[in-house]
Amino acid sequence: DAGITQSPRHKVTETGTPVTLRCHQTENHRYMYWYRQDPGHGLRLIHYSYGVKDTDKGEVSDGYSVSRSKTEDFLLTLESATSSQTSVYFCAISEPTGVKYEQYFGPGTRLTVT
Amino acid sequence: AQKITQTQPGMFVQEKEAVTLDCTYDTSDPSYGLFWYKQPSSGEMIFLIYQGSYDQQNATEGRYSLNFQKARKSANLVISASQLGDSAMYFCAMREYYGNNRLAFGKGNQVVVIP
Repeated sequence: DAGITQSPRHKVTETGTPVTLRCHQTENHRYMYWYRQDPGHGLRLIHYSYGVKDTDKGEVSDGYSVSRSKTEDFLLTLESATSSQTSVYFCAISEPTGVKYEQYFGPGTRLTVT
Repeated sequence: AQKITQTQPGMFVQEKEAVTLDCTYDTSDPSYGLFWYKQPSSGEMIFLIYQGSYDQQNATEGRYSLNFQKARKSANLVISASQLGDSAMYFCAMREYYGNNRLAFGKGNQVVVIP
């Protein structure tokens, strides 16, 4: 199993509060991703990183920011949480070697914004 | 526009039978990869199988095989000899060569294996 952890695993927060989710990997993979999963939508990409301090937006990036100061850590921040950001958040990693570049996922963080 | 389409309703399959999950995709990139992931009720995402756009043969991984029809832009997953542990959501995803290694996911297919 790929060494990916997410913290916290569960969080309940109030509307308007800042929230930071952490993804930590021990695989030294170059690429890291944040997705959200909502019923009827599958997984949607929020932001991704292709190296330390190199990040870019995904398809649902509004209201989210990210930072990657070290290879092993990728942080997702909700500056002011809204109820529409209630979701399950997955981190994933991949390394561009070989052909597949498959992504391996963390266990997920369930976030509830009340 | 949606890049990955999975439209089957939830499926019930008898144990030991085969099941086919449909996936169609849309891309103008000649180089791409197709993936299937499994998500059991416990929530983790598990990589199952990969098919490259230039691969001449359909991919196989144990009981999983991918029926790749490039002209029709379909990449159906076949699970042979279903087991109770195959009950899960299954997601099809695509990586385009110019997409900076991003994946676009479909909405998933629910499979329930009944004894």
